[in-house]
Amino acid sequence: DTAVSQTPKYLVTQMGNDKSIKCEQNLGHDTMYWYKQDSKKFLKIMFSYNNKELIINETVPNRFSPKSPDKAHLNLHINSLELGDSAVYFCASSLDWNYGYTFGSGTRLTVV
Amino acid sequence: GENVEQHPSTLSVQEGDSAVIKCTYSDSASNYFPWYKQELGKGPQLIIDIRSNVGEKKDQRIAVTLNKTAKHFSLHITETQPEDSAVYFCAPLNSGNTPLVFGKGTRLSVIA
Repeated sequence: DTAVSQTPKYLVTQMGNDKSIKCEQNLGHDTMYWYKQDSKKFLKIMFSYNNKELIINETVPNRFSPKSPDKAHLNLHINSLELGDSAVYFCASSLDWNYGYTFGSGTRLTVV
Repeated sequence: GENVEQHPSTLSVQEGDSAVIKCTYSDSASNYFPWYKQELGKGPQLIIDIRSNVGEKKDQRIAVTLNKTAKHFSLHITETQPEDSAVYFCAPLNSGNTPLVFGKGTRLSVIA
């Protein structure tokens, strides 16, 4: 059973489109995250969410929005995609804020 | 916010030798110190972590040492093997409700 699963694994889309990436965890964790990894391998936090609060990295454009239908899911919706959005996006979860993270296998987004 | 620096950015060792990666952080309130390993095409995976009430922790060929006074912690890999080749990230954390801030990564290559 995959602990943190993301879909799709690859996403190629045109500029201006709207797309979503889904994330589900079956670990019973309370906290979930989205990270963006660029071509230099830098991992940058985008959102953190648990059942009490959402923390948004202030540098993330408001074209990006997290949606959490329940504790086990944190989906990422992106409006009006731009070339610079091309990257690998990772979902992760943890028991609570200062516990180890379990990462998904990533979604490689390519905007053309 | 936390300022995290990792050194070196790249490291090549002969199989069987040891490798050491150092992580320096700025927030003196940090109390959780994990290391992640990212293999090609995969998400980061937690390999070892330590909390601030402990100075060293070992798990088979991997160890982490912590110097809270100097605000740095290090990953030690002994008897390196080709499968240790990966990018390694540190991510110190304080006890607040904040997500992990990752270092910029160290690419380790183990040469057979």
